[in-house]
Amino acid sequence: KAGVTQTPRYLIKTRGQQVTLSCSPISGHRSVSWYQQTPGQGLQFLFEYFSETQRNKGNFPGRFSGRQFSNSRSEMNVSTLELGDSALYLCASSLERGVTDTQYFGPGTRLTVL
Amino acid sequence: GENVEQHPSTLSVQEGDSAVIKCTYSDSASNYFPWYKQELGKGPQLIIDIRSNVGEKKDQRIAVTLNKTAKHFSLHITETQPEDSAVYFCAASSSGGYQKVTFGTGTKLQVIP
Repeated sequence: KAGVTQTPRYLIKTRGQQVTLSCSPISGHRSVSWYQQTPGQGLQFLFEYFSETQRNKGNFPGRFSGRQFSNSRSEMNVSTLELGDSALYLCASSLERGVTDTQYFGPGTRLTVL
Repeated sequence: GENVEQHPSTLSVQEGDSAVIKCTYSDSASNYFPWYKQELGKGPQLIIDIRSNVGEKKDQRIAVTLNKTAKHFSLHITETQPEDSAVYFCAASSSGGYQKVTFGTGTKLQVIP
């Protein structure tokens, strides 16, 4: 069974731009969670989607948004990029229970904001 | 909100020795405690997890213990091997109305051959 895939793997943007990241979960998994990983703040939970609905949300500003499609694939969008948004963005999928379930992480998208 | 503290931040052990990483959490509603291993350039990989109704869980060389009263849980790796070298993260999450997960700050484990 294929693992979680994320595209693109690397991305360079400039301040003020917006970016969309994509995540394809493991086949059969219905929950997709997104995380931001930085050296300073560590791993932080952004939000979780289940059945095309945002089910849980971390403490990030509204510039961070996401959506999930009927095939469980998910996208994350960051608008008006700031230098501090440079990070590794990880998505993780699980069968149904999200952050209280066994989660499988993708390799991440490395975003650099210049 | 939840606060998870993880110690130590770095740990060096000789191959074959044991390694112990400890985490404490603050929210008594937390009921799921996974441990992840992250190698360079990869996403975290779940290595073991424990739920609040269990005090200890073991999987070959890896074990996790949970003390709900003291709000701390620990990862134990026995007979360490060079391939165990990585960054390890603990996490605490709750399944109450609004699910949240909080990660520890990570422990860089180096196993010296």
